[in-house]
Amino acid sequence: ETGVTQTPRHLVMGMTNKKSLKCEQHLGHNAMYWYKQSAKKPLELMFVYNFKEQTENNSVPSRFSPECPNSSHLFLHLHTLQPEDSALYLCASSGGGTPWYEQYFGPGTRLTVT
Amino acid sequence: QKEVEQDPGPLSVPEGAIVSLNCTYSNSAFQYFMWYRQYSRKGPELLMYTYSSGNKEDGRFTAQVDKSSKYISLFIRDSQPSDSATYLCAMTPNDYKLSFGAGTTVTVRA
Repeated sequence: ETGVTQTPRHLVMGMTNKKSLKCEQHLGHNAMYWYKQSAKKPLELMFVYNFKEQTENNSVPSRFSPECPNSSHLFLHLHTLQPEDSALYLCASSGGGTPWYEQYFGPGTRLTVT
Repeated sequence: QKEVEQDPGPLSVPEGAIVSLNCTYSNSAFQYFMWYRQYSRKGPELLMYTYSSGNKEDGRFTAQVDKSSKYISLFIRDSQPSDSATYLCAMTPNDYKLSFGAGTTVTVRA
């Protein structure tokens, strides 16, 4: 596998479920990001990890819980979500010799909360 | 006022036409300006980036930045059906925090 991969690609969950999104990057980057993309709205930065340390939490509700065990893997744990949390969740990575602003995105997980 | 404004379109052009996309912004600290392309059911991919004001050309794509007007543009010459996608502008002062536009959806008709 190359680039940035995300699993699952689609997820439907009830408001009381607990699920996790997984991201893996094969680019040797140091930083990993979670973004939320809703229809007709700009990408919203949620979390940033730099060398496994969380450096940004953009006022994200606690029902979203990130985890970064190493520089290649990033998880987003979800629990008691709301219908308005339905969106495309994108993982990205950067750094490791490339500029920080040159971010590489995965294909996203399409999340539907029922 | 949004930090980055981008007309969502949709924009529909015939094959071979020039596609013109633009964004305006309010933060004068922005120094790096990017254009991402996002195909349906895919993540955004970096198309071009420009530092400060000026033009940058890459094949059929030209990016322009006018910092005095806080206005950036992307032109696609000789557009192809494969250029049909959503184009996102993004910008940053000089770090990982990118401010994105909402994206413009482009369809190139064969």
